[in-house]
Amino acid sequence: NAGVTQTPKFRVLKTGQSMTLLCAQDMNHEYMYWYRQDPGMGLRLIHYSVGEGTTAKGEVPDGYNVSRLKKQNFLLGLESAAPSQTSVYFCASSQIRDRPLDTQYFGPGTRLTVL
Amino acid sequence: GENVEQHPSTLSVQEGDSAVIKCTYSDSASNYFPWYKQELGKRPQLIIDIRSNVGEKKDQRIAVTLNKTAKHFSLHITETQPEDSAVYFCAASISNNFNKFYFGSGTKLNVKP
Repeated sequence: NAGVTQTPKFRVLKTGQSMTLLCAQDMNHEYMYWYRQDPGMGLRLIHYSVGEGTTAKGEVPDGYNVSRLKKQNFLLGLESAAPSQTSVYFCASSQIRDRPLDTQYFGPGTRLTVL
Repeated sequence: GENVEQHPSTLSVQEGDSAVIKCTYSDSASNYFPWYKQELGKRPQLIIDIRSNVGEKKDQRIAVTLNKTAKHFSLHITETQPEDSAVYFCAASISNNFNKFYFGSGTKLNVKP
């Protein structure tokens, strides 16, 4: 049981390049989330998904797109990276269907630098 | 939406002393309040949580208290140890709002040996 995993762990991009971050979970969780973490600002929600094939915007969605084609995977895309997107990105998952509200479990993070 | 404020931003204590971190929230519908510990370069890990039908919860040296009327909750760590040094985050969520968490900005705790 690996929990929540993320790839890659580190990435350096040039302004304007694109990339996709992959999150996978093996806990049969319904909900998945993408956050960014910047110094002094805690974790801010970018996008989330409440089930396969569904996505929704969080607090800071601009410049990002997401997809959840399979229940266990949640992808975060940057179409045209900007220096303001330099951050640490965390994926999280929670909630097994028909069970009481559960906490969120986090992946190890992806450190992204945009030059 | 929900707004969570966390204080202090940094806290330095002597080993063996107690540490208290406080959070306030704005949405009275919030009913779940987890606390996460994040060591340098690592992922946030849940250390304790509390639901709105409970006023206090303890787990060994860690306790959380909740005051729904005042809309604030606090993390208490007793007999602090150097390995407690980390950044701590509080969060608030509403159970029927897809379990979205709203995080505080974090408290960097430094326990001096």
